[in-house]
Amino acid sequence: QQQVKQSPQSLIVQKGGISIINCAYENTAFDYFPWYQQFPGKGPALLIAIRPDVSEKKEGRFTISFNKSAKQFSLHIMDSQPGDSATYFCAASMLKGGADGLTFGKGTHLIIQP
Amino acid sequence: DSGVTQTPKHLITATGQRVTLRCSPRSGDLSVYWYQQSLDQGLQFLIQYYNGEERAKGNILERFSAQQFPDLHSELNLSSLELGDSALYFCASSPRRGGATTEAFFGQGTRLTVV
Repeated sequence: QQQVKQSPQSLIVQKGGISIINCAYENTAFDYFPWYQQFPGKGPALLIAIRPDVSEKKEGRFTISFNKSAKQFSLHIMDSQPGDSATYFCAASMLKGGADGLTFGKGTHLIIQP
Repeated sequence: DSGVTQTPKHLITATGQRVTLRCSPRSGDLSVYWYQQSLDQGLQFLIQYYNGEERAKGNILERFSAQQFPDLHSELNLSSLELGDSALYFCASSPRRGGATTEAFFGQGTRLTVV
């Protein structure tokens, strides 16, 4: 059972454009929703994260939009740059109780064309 | 550099064998997590330890086991290896088991190839 569904699998965006990646979750007990960025040969690195008590969080060119009723959240990368080319993973976990292993989406391979 | 150290970086072994992967968490981090990354399954949570005790289990096979030692380093033991166990194995650590933030810092992974 895939608890976090991510789309698209791959995405090509022109430099300066907006990259949008979407995720949907099933478990309403999830209360922490991070996005991770992974470059080839490296481990995932936290990009930005949101809690369900807010609908949007922005950090620089990266914005998470969160829709609790629809159980969906998305990552927007504004003014996309070639250096943003990487694989992006959405994830979810339950902070309460301390058992907070991440459930990941399948990933989106993003290519920014110069 | 995340501060999480994993050894070895690469490991090639035969089917049926047993291997041990090692992880040193960031200084002061009490939680250690193990994840498996493969092309077909993606990134999957295997197990979490907090201050030496098992905290949560994910999709970890019975042939796999882990432990966290008093100095907080962790080992993941994989036995009776099968071809399908070939994957990247990541260790991550975080400062605490829950609360307002739970950023997990990932190591660079151990690439296991079973032949």
